[in-house]
Amino acid sequence: GNSVTQMEGPVTLSEEAFLTINCTYTATGYPSLFWYVQYPGEGLQLLLKATKADDKGSNKGFEATYRKETTSFHLEKGSVQVSDSAVYFCALSDKRNAGNMLTFGGGTRLMVKP
Amino acid sequence: DAEITQSPRHKITETGRQVTLACHQTWNHNNMFWYRQDLGHGLRLIHYSYGVQDTNKGEVSDGYSVSRSNTEDLPLTLESAASSQTSVYFCASSVDSRYEQYFGPGTRLTVT
Repeated sequence: GNSVTQMEGPVTLSEEAFLTINCTYTATGYPSLFWYVQYPGEGLQLLLKATKADDKGSNKGFEATYRKETTSFHLEKGSVQVSDSAVYFCALSDKRNAGNMLTFGGGTRLMVKP
Repeated sequence: DAEITQSPRHKITETGRQVTLACHQTWNHNNMFWYRQDLGHGLRLIHYSYGVQDTNKGEVSDGYSVSRSNTEDLPLTLESAASSQTSVYFCASSVDSRYEQYFGPGTRLTVT
């Protein structure tokens, strides 16, 4: 079956530091890949997505590239801000599934200190 | 603006009681989903629906049921609440498989 593995947190960084959150996946088909962000007390919001190999998703300074050869979708940001403190979830959607059910990783908590 | 809402936001109930969590979306989305979020497990799919009168079991469906009588609502019922069902519950919807899911704000359920 499908699965997503992401690095355990919490990840603690100083403001303006470089961020990488690793995500690898296992899927039998050709999934779409997503990063969702959850701010304290809120639901999940889509941060970025990529639908095929070598696609790069980007939003709000965050980027992730769909790497089929390494089955990875690592999240990066060049300079984090305190407002980026949140929990980040990597997820995949199997395109063969018409209902686009998502399989989530366990989440990575990011804490950015001023 | 279109949105997805959940109620109640917080609920405390006793073991053995029936509990229903509401989910309402105004986007006219066909697909609706219920997840539970637990530390160390991320989000796990409980039930989902592709349209009116359609319901399907997800990864962790035991002890839960849903019904879809209209496009806007997918209530989640815990038939006999257990302490293992203490969790945060999220509802989500999407227009179809090409688009992302939109999540509600969540319901924190505590079973004592």
